[in-house]
Amino acid sequence: QTVVTQEPSVSVSPGGTVTLTCGLSSGSVSRNYYPTWYQQTPGQTPRTVIYSIDTRSSGVPDRFSGSLVGNKAALTITGAQAEDESDYYCVLYMGSGIWVFGGGTKLTVL
Amino acid sequence: QVTLQESGPVLVKPTETLTLTCTVSGFSLTVGRMGVTWIRQPPGKALEWLAHIFPNDEKSYSTSLKSRLTISKDTSKSQVVLTITNMDPVDTATYFCARVRGGDFVNWFDPWGQGTLVTVSS
Repeated sequence: QTVVTQEPSVSVSPGGTVTLTCGLSSGSVSRNYYPTWYQQTPGQTPRTVIYSIDTRSSGVPDRFSGSLVGNKAALTITGAQAEDESDYYCVLYMGSGIWVFGGGTKLTVL
Repeated sequence: QVTLQESGPVLVKPTETLTLTCTVSGFSLTVGRMGVTWIRQPPGKALEWLAHIFPNDEKSYSTSLKSRLTISKDTSKSQVVLTITNMDPVDTATYFCARVRGGDFVNWFDPWGQGTLVTVSS
């Protein structure tokens, strides 16, 4: 079974830069997996941050960027702000209408 | 404006079958490339993709839950229905439906419904 891996928790100082990653238990993440990142604060519906590796969703600040780094997808926040403190989920498309979420990363800004 | 709204029971007993309905507006369930998907999130835990239905009625399911899931749609009512058999307390979760946007080389979930919390308990 495919497992999508994410760091359980990451912290960053206000104004700092942080990178969250999204990998596969077996193999490399490529463009063909259409990696997408969602941001979720407690009690809220997830919000699309980045789709198709590096496309920012409408209204998302440009401090958020997506990329492929090595064999993983990455979400980078440059100049982190307090309001960025959230859970971030990566999801990969396996094809044929099947997706797999990662376990999520809890980002703390302190 | 595209909206989705989940509905269903708040409480189900172990071994019962759960039926959830996603009522959509602002788009057609038979037009486009990608369709509607179901996702769930147990309290305090991660999101988990469950099932998907395409406009052409093709369906797909989570490998781990495939034997218990059935997705269908009623285009006359603009509804997508998900049933989960043999419910267990570990199935306690907020269940979301979402429109899948995109096409051949890109897709993402947007928008999401607000979610409905289902508790499994005797």
